[in-house]
Amino acid sequence: KAGVTQTPRYLIKTRGQQVTLSCSPISGHRSVSWYQQTPGQGLQFLFEYFSETQRNKGNFPGRFSGRQFSNSRSEMNVSTLELGDSALYLCASSLRQGIGEQYFGPGTRLTVT
Amino acid sequence: TQLLEQSPQFLSIQEGENLTVYCNSSSVFSSLQWYRQEPGEGPVLLVTVVTGGEVKKLKRLTFQFGDARKDSSLHITAAQPGDTGLYLCAGEANAGNMLTFGGGTRLMVKP
Repeated sequence: KAGVTQTPRYLIKTRGQQVTLSCSPISGHRSVSWYQQTPGQGLQFLFEYFSETQRNKGNFPGRFSGRQFSNSRSEMNVSTLELGDSALYLCASSLRQGIGEQYFGPGTRLTVT
Repeated sequence: TQLLEQSPQFLSIQEGENLTVYCNSSSVFSSLQWYRQEPGEGPVLLVTVVTGGEVKKLKRLTFQFGDARKDSSLHITAAQPGDTGLYLCAGEANAGNMLTFGGGTRLMVKP
């Protein structure tokens, strides 16, 4: 069974721009969660989608948004990028709604200059 | 806000030594997961513990969930260079809620 895939793997953007990251979960997994990982703050939960609906949300500003499609694939968007948004963005899928055991993708490394 | 504190933050040991990593909180968790992350990759789930006092073994790794379900430990026996990585604990406060991750323990095992 193929694992979680994320595209692109690396991205360089300029302050003020916006970015869209993509995630394809493991086949059969309907829950997709997004996390931000930085050296200073560690791994922080952004949001979770299940059946195309956002079910849980972390403590991040509204510039961070996401969506899930009917095939469970998910996208995350960050608008008006700031230098502090530079991070590894991880997507994880799970069989059941509400997190459970997370299967992570390799992440997208976003650098904001 | 539930917080998980991991200790130590960094650990550098020689091959063959034993070590223990701790994950502590003042909050109760319905389950606790341990992950290992290697450079350039996402975390990989090692184990989930759900019952207070539960002990699970995965080859040379032993995981324990505290009786009160507020803390957990990971013990590695006879560490090997392949054990090198970032170890993360993550707690689920209520079934269906988000995961809270600890800050991680970066382990280096030297040959």
